Amino acid sequence: DAGVTQSPTHLIKTRGQQVTLRCSPKSGHDTVSWYQQALGQGPQFIFQYYEEEERQRGNFPDRFSGHQFPNYSSELNVNALLLGDSALYLCASSPGQVRGETQYFGPGTRLLVL
Amino acid sequence: GNSVTQMEGPVTLSEEAFLTINCTYTATGYPSLFWYVQYPGEGLQLLLKATKADDKGSNKGFEATYRKETTSFHLEKGSVQVSDSAVYFCALDLSGNTPLVFGKGTRLSVIA
Repeated sequence: DAGVTQSPTHLIKTRGQQVTLRCSPKSGHDTVSWYQQALGQGPQFIFQYYEEEERQRGNFPDRFSGHQFPNYSSELNVNALLLGDSALYLCASSPGQVRGETQYFGPGTRLLVL
Repeated sequence: GNSVTQMEGPVTLSEEAFLTINCTYTATGYPSLFWYVQYPGEGLQLLLKATKADDKGSNKGFEATYRKETTSFHLEKGSVQVSDSAVYFCALDLSGNTPLVFGKGTRLSVIA
């Protein structure tokens, strides 16, 4: 059983560019959340998708957008990249909107903005 | 708001030493509590969890007890190994509709 997978593993972009990160959830999971982890910090919640809709959103600007597909996979898009967007982007999946249900994390995509 | 506070690292221990990493939380409601571990260059792995007061989560020799009266979920291990060197994150989850709230993480280094 494959766990959460993310692509690409690493990415280098320049300021002002746009980037798309991809995530496939663990089999049987229908909820996908995205987190940003800056160097030396804990992950910060960006948004969560369930049933192809954004259900929750953290304190991130509109430059951050996403999408969930019918097969539950998800994309994170960031427009007009800033140097401060350099971070590890983590995708997590879970089986539905249930309290205490474990979120399983992927290995992350490390984004460097120059 | 909801928040998690962890003891600041880094923590450096000799192999077979006793480990405690403190974690306290503030939450509106009754959270589930988690410890995640992040090995160098990797994503997060769930280490253990507890979903209600007085529950004890355990895994791979690590333990943590959900203490509602002190709003704490301290991580302990009786004898650490070099392979336990990683960053440990305490987190809470209020419901299936809210995201995980993480502490800043505690880096543990175990030396032989």
